Amino acid sequence: DAGVIQSPRHEVTEMGQEVTLRCKLISGHNSLFWYRQTMMRGLELLIYFNNNVPIDDSGMPEDRFSAKMPNASFSTLKIQPSEPRDSAVYFCASGTTGNTEAFFGQGTRLTVV
Amino acid sequence: AQSVTQLDSQVPVFEEAPVELRCNYSSSVSVYLFWYVQYPNQGLQLLLKYLSGSTLVKGINGFEAEFNKSQTSFHLRKPSVHISDTAEYFCAVSLYNQGGKLIFGQGTELSVKP
Repeated sequence: DAGVIQSPRHEVTEMGQEVTLRCKLISGHNSLFWYRQTMMRGLELLIYFNNNVPIDDSGMPEDRFSAKMPNASFSTLKIQPSEPRDSAVYFCASGTTGNTEAFFGQGTRLTVV
Repeated sequence: AQSVTQLDSQVPVFEEAPVELRCNYSSSVSVYLFWYVQYPNQGLQLLLKYLSGSTLVKGINGFEAEFNKSQTSFHLRKPSVHISDTAEYFCAVSLYNQGGKLIFGQGTELSVKP
């Protein structure tokens, strides 16, 4: 299995632009988690889905952030418009319902200038 | 609510020396406990987890951790470290049946010197 696949690995964009981060779950997994890692706040959960349904989005910082699961194996995290304070590493992780662990992707390093 | 405190932000150690990375947690309900490792520019890899049962948990790469309920601790240990163990280590908790919904500590940077 290829594991959780995130793209792109690196993204540099200008303030105000729309950014879309992508994540492919491990085959057979039905839970999807988006995390953000910054120096100031560490690793924090943004949102998680179970069976394509958002279960908890309380970690999404503001309305500029949105996440979707258009199908069972794929998710996007969109930031529109982006701001310099959104610069961070964004991880997605997948698991199964009732799971005891999550499997992380390699992350997307986002820089907003 | 749950919280995790990693007591050391940086731990320098010489190669082949033992190491302990400390983690305390706070929760009013029972939780799962995890240690993850992050190598530079990489994602997080699970080292070990405590779900229930024996309080001494063995993981990959020779690491082990001990769950202490009375002290609400889950310290990570390795008897002899290698240069390749240089990385950031994260302690995390989750509620039962929500193993992917993790609350992380701030991380401990382990630096192994020759």
